Amino acid sequence: DGGITQSPKYLFRKEGQNVTLSCEQNLNHDAMYWYRQDPGQGLRLIYYSQIVNDFQKGDIAEGYSVSREKKESFPLTVTSAQKNPTAFYLCASTTAGGYTYNSPLHFGNGTRLTVT
Amino acid sequence: ELKVEQNPLFLSMQEGKNYTIYCNYSTTSDRLYWYRQDPGKSLESLFVLLSNGAVKQEGRLMASLDTKARLSTLHITAAVHDLSATYFCAATNFGNEKLTFGTGTRLTIIP
Repeated sequence: DGGITQSPKYLFRKEGQNVTLSCEQNLNHDAMYWYRQDPGQGLRLIYYSQIVNDFQKGDIAEGYSVSREKKESFPLTVTSAQKNPTAFYLCASTTAGGYTYNSPLHFGNGTRLTVT
Repeated sequence: ELKVEQNPLFLSMQEGKNYTIYCNYSTTSDRLYWYRQDPGKSLESLFVLLSNGAVKQEGRLMASLDTKARLSTLHITAAVHDLSATYFCAATNFGNEKLTFGTGTRLTIIP
């Protein structure tokens, strides 16, 4: 079955360490996105990529980095520069051109990151 | 900058009752989405609304879009416990690939 796989489901890190969250999709989608979810704040866009080897900053990109070397993969690194990294991180994808026609975002199951 | 507001933020209702969740957005949007999220889970797409006057229905949920009023509604008919979840609306501008989400409405259905 096609879908988006995020790993790990739970991640614990010490403050000051970088950590990388994995996101893999086998939906043949061109566009991939990373969102952060905090309680009571909905989802906020961190980074997005519409094509391999290209990506754009979202609304809260500071302290994060991404790469898009393969169509299927869009890993997110939470660096030590991110001041409040503890959150629920969601990866999503959609068809070419992003939100075209009636194509919604497909979401992975998320990674819950806790930094102490 | 596109802003999306939902109300109410919390909604507790009895089984069998009807209610509506409202989603207002600040600038012209050509697409409006509704998602459902169960606690600790990912988001599931419910509806995509693409034009003024669009109405879509799935079971006890019906979504509509009024682009002139910059308003979308999610109407729940004869609520059942299984509908307890957080509901998000999201909007985007034509040509802009950034989807802006509302803060969500946490719906609790009481038996």
